[in-house]
Amino acid sequence: DAGVIQSPRHEVTEMGQEVTLRCKPISGHDYLFWYRQTMMRGLELLIYFNNNVPIDDSGMPEDRFSAKMPNASFSTLKIQPSEPRDSAVYFCASSPGLGRETQYFGPGTRLLVL
Amino acid sequence: GQSLEQPSEVTAVEGAIVQINCTYQTSGFYGLSWYQQHDGGAPTFLSYNGLDGLEETGRFSSFLSRSDSYGYLLLQELQMKDSASYFCAVRDEAAGNKLTFGGGTRVLVKP
Repeated sequence: DAGVIQSPRHEVTEMGQEVTLRCKPISGHDYLFWYRQTMMRGLELLIYFNNNVPIDDSGMPEDRFSAKMPNASFSTLKIQPSEPRDSAVYFCASSPGLGRETQYFGPGTRLLVL
Repeated sequence: GQSLEQPSEVTAVEGAIVQINCTYQTSGFYGLSWYQQHDGGAPTFLSYNGLDGLEETGRFSSFLSRSDSYGYLLLQELQMKDSASYFCAVRDEAAGNKLTFGGGTRVLVKP
């Protein structure tokens, strides 16, 4: 399997622009997670889906952030409008279940908002 | 809510043994996991403890004491490639089954 795939790997944009991050989970995994990692706040869970349904979005920082999972093989995280404080590495992860906590992380998208 | 405490940094030489402690506070503890992350890379799963005791995977072992809300990751026969950040994480059923990560321990292995 190719593992979790994320695109783009790097994104540089200007404040106020819309940013869309994409993720393809491992086939057969029922859970998909979006994380954000910064030096100041560490690794934070933003939202997670089970069978394409959002289960917990309490980590989404504000209304500028939205996430969708239209089917089992694709998810997006959108920031509109983007702000410099959104600069971070965004990871997507997938898991076959919540049992042994083995989450498989994608390579991440490094976002810089100028 | 949940909170996890782990040391911020540990330095050791090749061949040595390093123990990274993790203490946690949760409402509905389910299990303790450990992840490794190299600079510029993604977190990768190392081990999981759902019950008290020691789990061994090669040079790495993980221990859990539920009564003490405490666990550790033991890195043996350290190699240069073990230089990375190590995160403990807990899933708290009382907090919606989210996986909460500690702040990470940066391990620097010197020759």
